[in-house]
Amino acid sequence: GAGVSQSPRYKVAKRGQDVALRCDPISGHVSLFWYQQALGQGPEFLTYFQNEAQLDKSGLPSDRFFAERPEGSVSTLKIQRTQQEDSAVYLCASSFGTLGWGAQETQYFGPGTRLLVL
Amino acid sequence: AQSVTQLGSHVSVSEGALVLLRCNYSSSVPPYLFWYVQYPNQGLQLLLKYTSAATLVKGINGFEAEFKKSETSFHLTKPSAHMSDAAEYFCAVSAVGSGGSNYKLTFGKGTLLTVNP
Repeated sequence: GAGVSQSPRYKVAKRGQDVALRCDPISGHVSLFWYQQALGQGPEFLTYFQNEAQLDKSGLPSDRFFAERPEGSVSTLKIQRTQQEDSAVYLCASSFGTLGWGAQETQYFGPGTRLLVL
Repeated sequence: AQSVTQLGSHVSVSEGALVLLRCNYSSSVPPYLFWYVQYPNQGLQLLLKYTSAATLVKGINGFEAEFKKSETSFHLTKPSAHMSDAAEYFCAVSAVGSGGSNYKLTFGKGTLLTVNP
């Protein structure tokens, strides 16, 4: 079956421009995660959805970052008024787990969207 | 708060040699531990995970890791490196137990493995 897909794979934005990054999780996966991976660093947690509910957004760097998953499947990460420090790879992951998940569920990662802000 | 330290940002081995990638964690209680591999322009793929069962964990592609509580370590090994093992490897930790933020993975900075012919 298909894995997690993300689009676009590459995005170049001018500083101040708004961008929207899309994630298609594995069908039937309840949990969805966004991570930010800066150059030379490991991924850092941004936000977590369980179905359409955003249960944790503690990792979002600023109020310019907004994520949604309105129908509990596809998710969009939106960055408003992009800044150069937003340049990174944005990874989406999904897992089958539901509420009470004991962190034993595997998170399946997409290929990421590489964002470059000029 | 949990954290992960990967010693050595770059490890180079010869084909057929032992691979040893080091990971140490910091946590108030033994956490869940993971190793992921990332090939160029691809997402992360789970190699193996420790979830408080056996301390020696076997994963895909011949990799294994041993959880050592006394050393707070979870080093990744493979007896004989193959050219196809060249990639970046990430160690990650999450909290134990249901609820809370146990879904949140905290990653190390990664170790780039190169394999020389």
